[in-house]
Amino acid sequence: QSVLTQPPSVSAAPGQKVTISCSGSSSNVGNNYVSWYQQFPGTAPKLLIYENNKRPSGIPDRFSGSKSGTSATLGITGLQTGDEADYYCGTWDNSLSASYVFGTGTKVTVL
Amino acid sequence: EVQLLESGGGLVQPGGSLRLSCAASGFTFITYGMSWVRQAPGKGLEWVSSIHGGGGSTYHADSVKGRCTISRDNSKNTLYLQMNSLRAEDTAVYYCARTRGWIPWYFDYWGQGALVTVSS
Repeated sequence: QSVLTQPPSVSAAPGQKVTISCSGSSSNVGNNYVSWYQQFPGTAPKLLIYENNKRPSGIPDRFSGSKSGTSATLGITGLQTGDEADYYCGTWDNSLSASYVFGTGTKVTVL
Repeated sequence: EVQLLESGGGLVQPGGSLRLSCAASGFTFITYGMSWVRQAPGKGLEWVSSIHGGGGSTYHADSVKGRCTISRDNSKNTLYLQMNSLRAEDTAVYYCARTRGWIPWYFDYWGQGALVTVSS
C-alpha cells in the first residue's frame, strides 16, 4: 500500500489543462525531491519531471512540476490525445523502513 | 544512446529461485546507481532494490528483504537481481532503471522489463 496518494483518474478535453496531486508526509515528499513518470499500457515508465520541477531533455514544457509542503503537483497544459497514460509520482521515504516510494498512480483521459 | 536490456524472467514455482540480469550500454556504467522496480499485473509501480555505482551500498524494500539480493558486475556492465523463496505476490514485470542520487532520487532510463510469474 503506497504512502503517496494520487487521484485515480483525471480527465479534460484536448487543449485543456489537468493537474495531478501527490500527497505524502514529512518523511517523504516534505523533505525529499519528487519525480514524475509517464507510462503507456504495456510499456516501461518514462521520466517526466525530476527534482520537483525539472524536465529532462526532450520533455515538452507543457509538463510542469511543483511542490509545496507535503504535496507535489504535476501539471499538463495543452492536453493532447497522446497524453493519455498513467502517471506516477515518486520520492525517497526517510521513515524507519527507508525506501523509495511511488504514488498510487493516476490515469489521464482526454475526452 | 542509453540502453537497458533485462533477461532471465520466466515461470517459477513458489519457493523457487530466479536471477534477473540487466545489460547496460551507452553510458559509463560504474558511475551510476542502478535499481529494480516491479509492477504486478494491473497494479502500480513498486521499488524493489537499488545499488550504488561501485556496488558498495545496497537498499532493499521490506517486501523482498532477506529474499532478494541486488548486485552488479561493472566489468560486464550488468546488473543482477537474485530472487529466492519466491511467492505468488512476486509475480510482476521487473524493470531495471538507471538511478540518480546518492540515495535513489529518480530513475532516468528504464529497460523494457522482464516478466516473472510465480505459479505452480
